[in-house]
Amino acid sequence: SAVISQKPSRDICQRGTSLTIQCQVDSQVTMMFWYRQQPGQSLTLIATANQGSEATYESGFVIDKFPISRPNLTFSTLTVSNMSPEDSSIYLCSVASAETQYFGPGTRLLVL
Amino acid sequence: AQKITQTQPGMFVQEKEAVTLDCTYDTSDPSYGLFWYKQPSSGEMIFLIYQGSYDQQNATEGRYSLNFQKARKSANLVISASQLGDSAMYFCAMSPSGNTPLVFGKGTRLSVIA
Repeated sequence: SAVISQKPSRDICQRGTSLTIQCQVDSQVTMMFWYRQQPGQSLTLIATANQGSEATYESGFVIDKFPISRPNLTFSTLTVSNMSPEDSSIYLCSVASAETQYFGPGTRLLVL
Repeated sequence: AQKITQTQPGMFVQEKEAVTLDCTYDTSDPSYGLFWYKQPSSGEMIFLIYQGSYDQQNATEGRYSLNFQKARKSANLVISASQLGDSAMYFCAMSPSGNTPLVFGKGTRLSVIA
């Protein structure tokens, strides 16, 4: 299994500001995924982050709003830019390891 | 495109009883994986069990078992001997391979009653 940590675990932010979420894995992985879970909803994929290439974004998510970095095989960041209250969600990173996908503990974001 | 359907928004079960959470799926991929995750109120996603589409036997992990019926495209989760700590949201998910993202169902909220 993979052990994943995320920082911060939670934050309260003002609208118009940006927040960068970090995801660290204890082993090297090719693919990392970022998901968003809005209140009372299921998980929605934001983007897939492959080391050494640009992230691939899902429909409805754009790089200007959710820039992603993947500098090496154990680390990735997701930035939520120019935040609005609609961005209040849990943001989760996940990695694939041996036919299973594991998730970080999530970042609970509240935008006022 | 892949789709996961969980038709039970909420379920109640008595402590120590068994409970089945339903999951049906739709895909045109010849091979795929099916997953169940538990999400307690803390928000973390806890991996419970995995079933590959070509696995001959149903997956089991401790008190969790996956009732996989390929012809019916169903992958129900069975929790035996429910405990109060099992109260949480449960999500069924699938992907065509380990390195592709998951598609999730809407989830089922399980409440275990003492």
